[in-house]
Amino acid sequence: AQSVTQPDIHITVSEGASLELRCNYSYGATPYLFWYVQSPGQGLQLLLKYFSGDTLVQGIKGFEAEFKRSQSSFNLRKPSVHWSDAAEYFCAVVPGGGYQKVTFGIGTKLQVIP
Amino acid sequence: DVKVTQSSRYLVKRTGEKVFLECVQDMDHENMFWYRQDPGLGLRLIYFSYDVKMKEKGDIPEGYSVSREKKERFSLILESASTNQTSMYLCASSTRTSGQETQYFGPGTRLLVL
Repeated sequence: AQSVTQPDIHITVSEGASLELRCNYSYGATPYLFWYVQSPGQGLQLLLKYFSGDTLVQGIKGFEAEFKRSQSSFNLRKPSVHWSDAAEYFCAVVPGGGYQKVTFGIGTKLQVIP
Repeated sequence: DVKVTQSSRYLVKRTGEKVFLECVQDMDHENMFWYRQDPGLGLRLIYFSYDVKMKEKGDIPEGYSVSREKKERFSLILESASTNQTSMYLCASSTRTSGQETQYFGPGTRLLVL
């Protein structure tokens, strides 16, 4: 069965520092990959998604993610974090090849300190 | 603008009560989903629906049922609420159905069962 691993439950970074959130998936073929963000008291919002093609994907709010097939990873990055980026981030996977349900990771909670 | 609304942000119920959580989307989406979100467990799919009057079990359907009488509305029903159903409930919708679709989430209903 497919699975998604987000190894970091909590991450703390200083405002202005760079950020990388890790996501690994377990699936034979290249799945469809997503990153969602959940601000406090809100539902989830899509940051970016990858299906095929260029392995570096640009998203909203200055985020990007890189798909690395050899590492089965889809890590989220931002060069300079803002206080408003404090939120919980979810990686999600769909196996591909027609509709199948989304599997979400357990989330990484980001704290931004001044 | 895309909108998914949930009938309540916070709900307190007693054990054994029948609980209805309502979700409405205004995007004419075919797919609708109910998840529960718990710390350390991420999002888990309870039920989803491809179309009016259609429903499919997700990963944790036990203790829940759903109803979709109209395309825009998807209801989650807790037949007899129990304390282990205390959680955040998130509704989402998406278009049909290649697996690449973005899911649009409501703000969530935080349910406390006493």
